[in-house]
Amino acid sequence: EVQLVETGGSLVQPGKSLKLTCATSGFTFSNAWMHWVRQSPEKQLEWVAQIKAKSNNYATYYAESVKGRFTISRDDSKSSVYLQMNSLKEEDTAIYYCTANWAYWGQGVMVTVSS
Amino acid sequence: DIVMTQAPLSVSVTPGESASISCRSSKSLLHSNGITYVYWYLQKPGKSPQLLIYRMSNLASGVPDRFSGSGSETDFTLKISRVEAEDVGIYYCGQLLENPPTFGGGTKLELK
Repeated sequence: EVQLVETGGSLVQPGKSLKLTCATSGFTFSNAWMHWVRQSPEKQLEWVAQIKAKSNNYATYYAESVKGRFTISRDDSKSSVYLQMNSLKEEDTAIYYCTANWAYWGQGVMVTVSS
Repeated sequence: DIVMTQAPLSVSVTPGESASISCRSSKSLLHSNGITYVYWYLQKPGKSPQLLIYRMSNLASGVPDRFSGSGSETDFTLKISRVEAEDVGIYYCGQLLENPPTFGGGTKLELK
């Protein structure tokens, strides 16, 4: 059974940092292209970041809205992908999902940025 | 960025009847390899999005064949035949042709 479990969500103040983890199982993680997608309170889906597989040199891509503040990484030995979020803004408030190859999705984790 | 526009915003369907949801992209989603990179997802209440259709017309694993996808280079349709109670939720189309991937605003399906 395929599983993706996100953790690390929290209530944080603007300007602070947070790291999300997505632990996976049930598929060949090392070959998967992993993404983070967020969903605003208005239900709009927004792609955040992508990391490709080792065969693609772990290439990374970011949405303009998070470029320079967020960093995606992965650990194939742990079948996990991460999202380091720095300089958080109120508009980063959302449910964050990880997805593998756009086919498998985690249950999501809430990030609230507020003073 | 490619803009994805869905219609209608919401649809109310009698169980057993069919429903169609439209999605339009601001740019052709047909790749030179012949594949059209539009995807459809259903987000049931309180759940994460689940893949229904990939590459415009391919049914994802485990998805009932009551669901079907079709379209052209810029206009796409998701059809649900014989709507059931478990089909309630928000449907999203998305384009994965180029970065950044983008999604429509969603269509909420409810039962009459």
